[in-house]
Amino acid sequence: LAKTTQPISMDSYEGQEVNITCSHNNIATNDYITWYQQFPSQGPRFIIQGYKTKVTNEVASLFIPADRKSSTLSLPRVSLSDTAVYYCLVGEGEGFQKLVFGTGTRLLVSP
Amino acid sequence: NAGVTQTPKFRILKIGQSMTLQCTQDMNHNYMYWYRQDPGMGLKLIYYSVGAGITDKGEVPNGYNVSRSTTEDFPLRLELAAPSQTSVYFCASSQTRLQGAGGNEQFFGPGTRLTVL
Repeated sequence: LAKTTQPISMDSYEGQEVNITCSHNNIATNDYITWYQQFPSQGPRFIIQGYKTKVTNEVASLFIPADRKSSTLSLPRVSLSDTAVYYCLVGEGEGFQKLVFGTGTRLLVSP
Repeated sequence: NAGVTQTPKFRILKIGQSMTLQCTQDMNHNYMYWYRQDPGMGLKLIYYSVGAGITDKGEVPNGYNVSRSTTEDFPLRLELAAPSQTSVYFCASSQTRLQGAGGNEQFFGPGTRLTVL
């Protein structure tokens, strides 16, 4: 399976906007893109999900270009509590066997 | 609702021992999953189930077995523990499946940290 890749780490300051990109060249035609947040010693937690264009909820936005080979998670005005690892999740083919988590991006938010 | 619960939280096994990791969800979800997460890495799907009595392999099934006799429970069995199975194991569940395997919000348990020596 081709890897679904993300930057290893990002640094930011409180109040800034953070954009984390996931490259998923092999995403299945009919599959969604989902993003999760994970704190140390916890299971991942759902943030946002989308299929194309832009999706926004109360905590984040998700931008998906027309070719759907990448996606960008946008966190507006981050706080210290947003320090975590962020993962994208996509299906790279038919069936759950092709369900692939990205490599993860460790976000550090400083005061 | 307790959500997804996993037991035990921690376990140390000797090579060749066997054990069962328990997972229970109280959200009446049809889909359940087992993942492993090695240190500093992403999650890899071991097995999944789309309903009681139906299970199938994920990306890394070797060395594991599962069963799904009820909607609520999805235990993961390690028959002959090996050091390569040292990892954190997460169970998850989801309700509906939108188009594609990724098209559903998964709810994760707190994980079981397993060390095989």
